[in-house]
Amino acid sequence: SQKIEQNSEALNIQEGKTATLTCNYTNYSPAYLQWYRQDPGRGPVFLLLIRENEKEKRKERLKVTFDTTLKQSLFHITASQPADSATYLCAPPSAGNTPLVFGKGTRLSVIA
Amino acid sequence: DVKVTQSSRYLVKRTGEKVFLECVQDMDHENMFWYRQDPGLGLRLIYFSYDVKMKEKGDIPEGYSVSREKKERFSLILESASTNQTSMYLCASSLSAQGFGYTFGSGTRLTVV
Repeated sequence: SQKIEQNSEALNIQEGKTATLTCNYTNYSPAYLQWYRQDPGRGPVFLLLIRENEKEKRKERLKVTFDTTLKQSLFHITASQPADSATYLCAPPSAGNTPLVFGKGTRLSVIA
Repeated sequence: DVKVTQSSRYLVKRTGEKVFLECVQDMDHENMFWYRQDPGLGLRLIYFSYDVKMKEKGDIPEGYSVSREKKERFSLILESASTNQTSMYLCASSLSAQGFGYTFGSGTRLTVV
């Protein structure tokens, strides 16, 4: 069965550094993958979508890559700020037009 | 901006009660979803709907049912609440089945005592 793994439960970095979060998937090849931000006690907020034919996608200080050979997506936040502290979730569909399957998330803490 | 509204932020119910969680979206989205989120388990899909009157089971539908009589409203029903249904419940909607971001509500934290 499909498996989504965000291999860091928590990540601490210094303000101003680049945070890199990893999402690995196994046993299938999703056509796209989405990234979300979730603050405590709130619902996730959609950040970026990257399709299998796109190597990289950017939005302001955010960058997402999608390596279909490695079956991996990387999520980068450059010049990180304490306000970036949150849990970040990756979410591909399980197959075709099926609903998203969410990873368990990586809790990022940016320390001033 | 799309808004997804969940009727209650916090809810406390007794074991055996029938519980209704309401979700309304205001942007004419076709697709609506119910997830629950638990520590260490992440978000798990309970039910989803790609059209009015249509419903599909997700990964953990046992003990739940749904209703979608109108496009904008998707209700989750706990037929007989149990303590293991204590959780954060999140409703979401999206424009299309494929390739669009989900908009989530703020969640309902349900405690069953």
